[in-house]
Amino acid sequence: TQLLEQSPQFLSIQEGENLTVYCNSSSVFSSLQWYRQEPGEGPVLLVTVVTGGEVKKLKRLTFQFGDARKDSSLHITAAQPGDTGLYLCAGLLQGGGADGLTFGKGTHLIIQP
Amino acid sequence: NAGVMQNPRHLVRRRGQEARLRCSPMKGHSHVYWYRQLPEEGLKFMVYLQKENIIDESGMPKERFSAEFPKEGPSILRIQQVVRGDSAAYFCASSPNEARNSPLHFGNGTRLTVT
Repeated sequence: TQLLEQSPQFLSIQEGENLTVYCNSSSVFSSLQWYRQEPGEGPVLLVTVVTGGEVKKLKRLTFQFGDARKDSSLHITAAQPGDTGLYLCAGLLQGGGADGLTFGKGTHLIIQP
Repeated sequence: NAGVMQNPRHLVRRRGQEARLRCSPMKGHSHVYWYRQLPEEGLKFMVYLQKENIIDESGMPKERFSAEFPKEGPSILRIQQVVRGDSAAYFCASSPNEARNSPLHFGNGTRLTVT
């Protein structure tokens, strides 16, 4: 059973378009993080969201944590080829569970020039 | 660059051999996590260690796998009698403190291939 479901699994769009990817769960998370991973490298942290309803912006990237802390979205405006990568959401379960983050399987994003 | 260092980057072992994966955390970090990544499954938590202590090994198989983080030197993930199903990318991450939502800094992984 996958605790964090990410969608879409694959997304290929043209440079300059906008896109949104999603991270959903039926469980409540005390915090949620988004990472980007490029081939042959480890994930790199983009943002951590902690409060339900929280919105954080990182240049052209906007992250939102759902009010109930069960889901999150990542919106990219005017996508660029440099945004290409595997986007992973990861969370810490509310009320305990393993000390390690629970990861989704990721969204493979390709931005074509 | 004082990032998380993992070695080797690539490791090939025959079935039945032992694999030893090393991880040096970022300077000043005393908390280490090991994850395994398979294309179909994503990143899976294996074990969380602090210096000389295993804090949570709930994600690690009970047999053949062990991990340590000695007072001096890198953290080691050891896989005995490897099987083909152990082939995966193994990532180490470190954090500066024990806060559960503390950001993780990942290394570039060790890609283990079992032939």
